[in-house]
Amino acid sequence: SSELTQDPAVSVALGQTVRITCQGDGLRYYSVTWYQQKPGQAPILVIFGENHRPSGIPDRFSGSKSGSTASLTITGAQAEDEADYYCNSRDFTGNVIFGGGTILTVL
Amino acid sequence: QVQLQESGPRLVKPSQTLSLTCTVSDGSINGDSYYLSWIRQPAGKGLEWIGRVNTGGRTLYNPSLKSRLSISLGTLRLSSVTAADTAVYYCARLYSMGGEDRLDPWGQGTQVIVSS
Repeated sequence: SSELTQDPAVSVALGQTVRITCQGDGLRYYSVTWYQQKPGQAPILVIFGENHRPSGIPDRFSGSKSGSTASLTITGAQAEDEADYYCNSRDFTGNVIFGGGTILTVL
Repeated sequence: QVQLQESGPRLVKPSQTLSLTCTVSDGSINGDSYYLSWIRQPAGKGLEWIGRVNTGGRTLYNPSLKSRLSISLGTLRLSSVTAADTAVYYCARLYSMGGEDRLDPWGQGTQVIVSS
C-alpha cells in the first residue's frame, strides 16, 4: 500500500491513556514522525524517529513502531492534548506521505 | 529560533500559476540534511506533502504534482491551478536523513483560493 492509515477519530477520558495508530507498508523500512495540529494553527512536531520527543514536548507523549504499524501514546491525556494528530513517513517507493489524521477528543 | 513565514496572493484564477514565497528568519536551511519543504491542507482535510528543496537546488516533488510544480529555495510555483488546489499552504524546515523526515518548525500557513 502507498498509504498511511489512521483511525479517523479517537476519544479518551481526562487523565487516561490513549494510543493513536498508523499503518502502512512503508513503515517497515522508513521512520515515522507525528504531528499535532490544533484548530487554526500550523502542525507541530511531537515525535520523530519513532520515539524521540523534541524539546518542549511533554513526556506524556511517546511513540513506538512494530512492523508496519506505528503508535503515538499519550499517557495521562490532558485537555490541551485535544487536537488532530498526523503520522508521516514514506511509502514503499520513498515518496513522503501523511496519514489521514486522527481527531483526538479528551472527555 | 528559526521562524518561517509564507506570503503570496490569497486569490488565484483557474489555469493561472500560484506563486508563494517562504522567508526563513535566520537562513538555517543550510546543511546537507536540511531542506525547505512545502505542505498544503484543504479546508477540513488532511496534510499533503508538496515537495522540498535544499540550498544546492536539489528538489524532490510529490509525483501527483510534479508536472505542474517548481520549487526553488524560498519559492513555490504551481501552474494550471484548479479549485482542487485551494488550500492552506505551509512551508517548513525539513531534516531528512537515512529515511527519517522531520518537519520543524512550520510557518503559520497562507490561505490560497482558486476562483474566478
